[in-house]
Amino acid sequence: ILNVEQSPQSLHVQEGDSTNFTCSFPSSNFYALHWYRWETAKSPEALFVMTLNGDEKKKGRISATLNTKEGYSYLYIKGSQPEDSATYLCAPITSGTYKYIFGTGTRLKVLA
Amino acid sequence: DAMVIQNPRYQVTQFGKPVTLSCSQTLNHNVMYWYQQKSSQAPKLLFHYYDKDFNNEADTPDNFQSRRPNTSFCFLDIRSPGLGDTAMYLCATSRVLSEAFFGQGTRLTVV
Repeated sequence: ILNVEQSPQSLHVQEGDSTNFTCSFPSSNFYALHWYRWETAKSPEALFVMTLNGDEKKKGRISATLNTKEGYSYLYIKGSQPEDSATYLCAPITSGTYKYIFGTGTRLKVLA
Repeated sequence: DAMVIQNPRYQVTQFGKPVTLSCSQTLNHNVMYWYQQKSSQAPKLLFHYYDKDFNNEADTPDNFQSRRPNTSFCFLDIRSPGLGDTAMYLCATSRVLSEAFFGQGTRLTVV
């Protein structure tokens, strides 16, 4: 069973604050890592697909980094806005499988 | 337009009464997944299809079954729902190892 841990479990920040959270996963047989955002009453949506060690991806105020050797990824949000409030899920993918195993997520609440 | 559609959005069923949840996709993706998510927990993979190849997770309860009659449709059948099966059920599709696209989920309540 793939052990995927995300921390913190939940987070409250003030509007305008920057924040970051972590996804930890086994580094062996790594193929890719996905980040998803899941807003209340909506479907989870992909943010990033990351494959290379040292990869850094950016979409607007959100960015992510990947360290495949030590098995972690960070997601950063710069200048958080209330619309960033969501659960952020990561899913590492092991080579040789098609399975997306999700972490428990980080529930972010941005207070106006 | 929604590309992965789950029906129904909400379902209440009685303890032990079989229930079927459906998922359809317009993306022509070859991989389809069913997840169960209980409050504050990670979405838990129940099974997935790669084309018609069915892959069951080892800890998926025996009363959970699935059918994929064609590329577009996938069904989750719960033969004898228990109270512990109350959860959100998410369907997702992807091309192999690409980003997954999710439906809006079916919130199942077993009473």
